Amino acid sequence: EADIYQTPRYLVIGTGKKITLECSQTMGHDKMYWYQQDPGMELHLIHYSYGVNSTEKGDLSSESTVSRIRTEHFPLTLESARPSHTSQYLCASSELVGSTDTQYFGPGTRLTVL
Amino acid sequence: QKEVEQDPGPLSVPEGAIVSLNCTYSNSAFQYFMWYRQYSRKGPELLMYTYSSGNKEDGRFTAQVDKSSKYISLFIRDSQPSDSATYLCAMINAGNNRKLIWGLGTSLAVNP
Repeated sequence: EADIYQTPRYLVIGTGKKITLECSQTMGHDKMYWYQQDPGMELHLIHYSYGVNSTEKGDLSSESTVSRIRTEHFPLTLESARPSHTSQYLCASSELVGSTDTQYFGPGTRLTVL
Repeated sequence: QKEVEQDPGPLSVPEGAIVSLNCTYSNSAFQYFMWYRQYSRKGPELLMYTYSSGNKEDGRFTAQVDKSSKYISLFIRDSQPSDSATYLCAMINAGNNRKLIWGLGTSLAVNP
């Protein structure tokens, strides 16, 4: 079982608020990811990191930002939340299994912006 | 056209049925193929992964890859209500850009 944690699990906030979604893993993985997933829709990669002080934008444009100051911690921040940010946010980390990166996911944060 | 195509379903079967879930892809550079299971309101969890063509079996689950047809399958034998979930295929480009490419996911309901 993967040791990757996300808090909060559920968040309902008003428009314009600044929020930070937390993600931590205790497996020592260098690579970490943030995905956005709407109900019944596919996973969209919005940010990834291959190590400390390394962050990259993913395939889906996002107004959020991330930081990677410590290996185990990869928080995602929205400076000013809007209703269009309502979604489920999934954090993952990966390790080499055989010759390929295998991703392990946290339980997700379901964000609702009113 | 998406790189990975997966029928979203929903697929509904009776308990004990054999389930076949499939994905097709267009990029011949994909070499590693994975199946994830996602229960409602949870993150995906890795079920199986295979390298290149061939079969891999794990309990009631069998993963098949046919690279010549660019087609992968996941079979579930003796399906159980606890198998009800969304099943996502994912694959990795063998090049320098080793990002995981995801299918849409197929929603499966196994009815007791």
